[in-house]
Amino acid sequence: DSGVTQTPKHLITATGQRVTLRCSPRSGDLSVYWYQQSLDQGLQFLIQYYNGEERAKGNILERFSAQQFPDLHSELNLSSLELGDSALYFCASSPRLAEIYEQYFGPGTRLTVT
Amino acid sequence: EDQVTQSPEALRLQEGESSSLNCSYTVSGLRGLFWYRQDPGKGPEFLFTLYSAGEEKEKERLKATLTKKESFLHITAPKPEDSATYLCAVQGLRGSQGNLIFGKGTKLSVKP
Repeated sequence: DSGVTQTPKHLITATGQRVTLRCSPRSGDLSVYWYQQSLDQGLQFLIQYYNGEERAKGNILERFSAQQFPDLHSELNLSSLELGDSALYFCASSPRLAEIYEQYFGPGTRLTVT
Repeated sequence: EDQVTQSPEALRLQEGESSSLNCSYTVSGLRGLFWYRQDPGKGPEFLFTLYSAGEEKEKERLKATLTKKESFLHITAPKPEDSATYLCAVQGLRGSQGNLIFGKGTKLSVKP
């Protein structure tokens, strides 16, 4: 158990819908990262937040957005869902920003878009 | 562009048959190289961080090494419970801090 929690574990929804994925980082970690994992693309970095502020963006679609709240939990919002958005979505956390720290991953949310 | 290539894509071993997994990387200055283990349907589990060429780290039957262009994950006398996908990731100087670039992984199967 990494200490990172994600809800829900599974999510099934229809095309065009909007969903919210939630992540709570390890106790004391200030930085949260979101990744998407699909069979053909592997793990792809989406976005990073540090202490409530957006710090980095990867290959995140405009239909996707995220935020980190004062209690440090984070939410990833996916809208206008398409079949191709079906994937595993992982959240990871690390202690700080300025140094090299390993990222600890949560158990993921499996999103299925039908 | 930072890039990570892992080989082989899949590896089948008999229990006790030692082998190595390869991670080749191209990065604009390496801040760190990371190895993770991922079981089906679960999140990646952190194994090692390597920072500079020549560095080695060990954990049970696993040993990770690093050169200027690649990293190896050596598995000595593997057991069936070592079966998993092993992921390699790099963090480069270019790009945002914390942005890990992952390879597609090596799926290891160890048969009893």
